[in-house]
Amino acid sequence: KNEVEQSPQNLTAQEGEFITINCSYSVGISALHWLQQHPGGGIVSLFMLSSGKKKHGRLIATINIQEKHSSLHITASHPRDSAVYICAVSQGAQKLVFGQGTRLTINP
Amino acid sequence: EPEVTQTPSHQVTQMGQEVILRCVPISNHLYFYWYRQILGQKVEFLVSFYNNEISEKSEIFDDQFSVERPDGSNFTLKIRSTKLEDSAMYFCASEGGLGNQPQHFGDGTRLSIL
Repeated sequence: KNEVEQSPQNLTAQEGEFITINCSYSVGISALHWLQQHPGGGIVSLFMLSSGKKKHGRLIATINIQEKHSSLHITASHPRDSAVYICAVSQGAQKLVFGQGTRLTINP
Repeated sequence: EPEVTQTPSHQVTQMGQEVILRCVPISNHLYFYWYRQILGQKVEFLVSFYNNEISEKSEIFDDQFSVERPDGSNFTLKIRSTKLEDSAMYFCASEGGLGNQPQHFGDGTRLSIL
């Protein structure tokens, strides 16, 4: 069983739609990370959170520690948001354990 | 903003040859990592490095792999005798180490073994 599961694996939406990507994990963690992988392959850290909610621009990340679940929301989605979004967890020793990613496509 | 840089961006090597992937982490960071991503699969942890030694390694990181921080700025991953299944994108990352901080990733090196 994967330690980090994401859903959906693929998501296609129209520009302007509200997007939600979910992540569940099965291990104890020190933090949960949301990352964005561009079509060229580069990885950028979006959020790191251990409780509650964080917001950056149109992106919002939430985590429920008791339920071992996190969501990434994108408001007013735009074609430039098209990318693979990856959930990963760290367990104190800093190494990241990754989910399989969610491929998001926003059509104009 | 400081960034992690990796070279080369693409490396093509014959099977059995040695390859060295190079990374320059952010200068005041203390923790360094290598990850790999086989095409179509998730990113996997290879090795972490702190205080000039390996702090953790995965099952993937066998005797064919080694890491070095030879001069205080570069962080290298060496694969001694490459196999076809080593073809992947290799990412270097670094972290400040002052409590919970995000990791900063390089753009990756695409390694193709022929």
